[in-house]
Amino acid sequence: EPEVTQTPSHQVTQMGQEVILRCVPISNHLYFYWYRQILGQKVEFLVSFYNNEISEKSEIFDDQFSVERPDGSNFTLKIRSTKLEDSAMYFCASSTRSTDSRPDTQYFGPGTRLTVL
Amino acid sequence: AQKITQTQPGMFVQEKEAVTLDCTYDTSDQSYGLFWYKQPSSGEMIFLIYQGSYDEQNATEGRYSLNFQKARKSANLVISASQLGDSAMYFCAMREGLRRGANNLFFGTGTRLTVIP
Repeated sequence: EPEVTQTPSHQVTQMGQEVILRCVPISNHLYFYWYRQILGQKVEFLVSFYNNEISEKSEIFDDQFSVERPDGSNFTLKIRSTKLEDSAMYFCASSTRSTDSRPDTQYFGPGTRLTVL
Repeated sequence: AQKITQTQPGMFVQEKEAVTLDCTYDTSDQSYGLFWYKQPSSGEMIFLIYQGSYDEQNATEGRYSLNFQKARKSANLVISASQLGDSAMYFCAMREGLRRGANNLFFGTGTRLTVIP
């Protein structure tokens, strides 16, 4: 069964460093998402991406964040200068196009745990 | 106002018994979708079941069913014949505006289910 994959599973970085989190969405999916989950809290939406551009972003997704689909398979989230409060689990998700009768189901990857020291 | 409310931070259920996890939602959209995800201790987010706002019947997927009460804006997850492997965090989520393309999910704070042998 196809699945979303994410690398690395755990990333430790120093405050102020840049990190790139990588995701390979399910191959026939068209919509890509990043969410984050601070330890013990709920999952929060960061950004959605469709047709090679951002379609929606939340207040969390400020200028420190960027997303890219550098090739036909990868989808990346870059944090330019990490802060302590960026420590969280970051989930990538992907989905197909919605129809009038049924929306897309977003399938999540296993997550990357980011620890900022 | 919270879009998704899960009022049960923790629930216990005896193995082989049924359990209901509560979820209420808030939206002014006529078209929306409700999702339940399971998050085991390993951290991944596993899609369980979906209910559309226009679906006339309650969704079922194996041992999972959704008690959808549109007038009350509730979408409770029912797990029948609980198994030890059901012990996990369960998140209710909503996607609004199904016809507007990619839309993010709003998550609740989750319910931690513990199945007792």
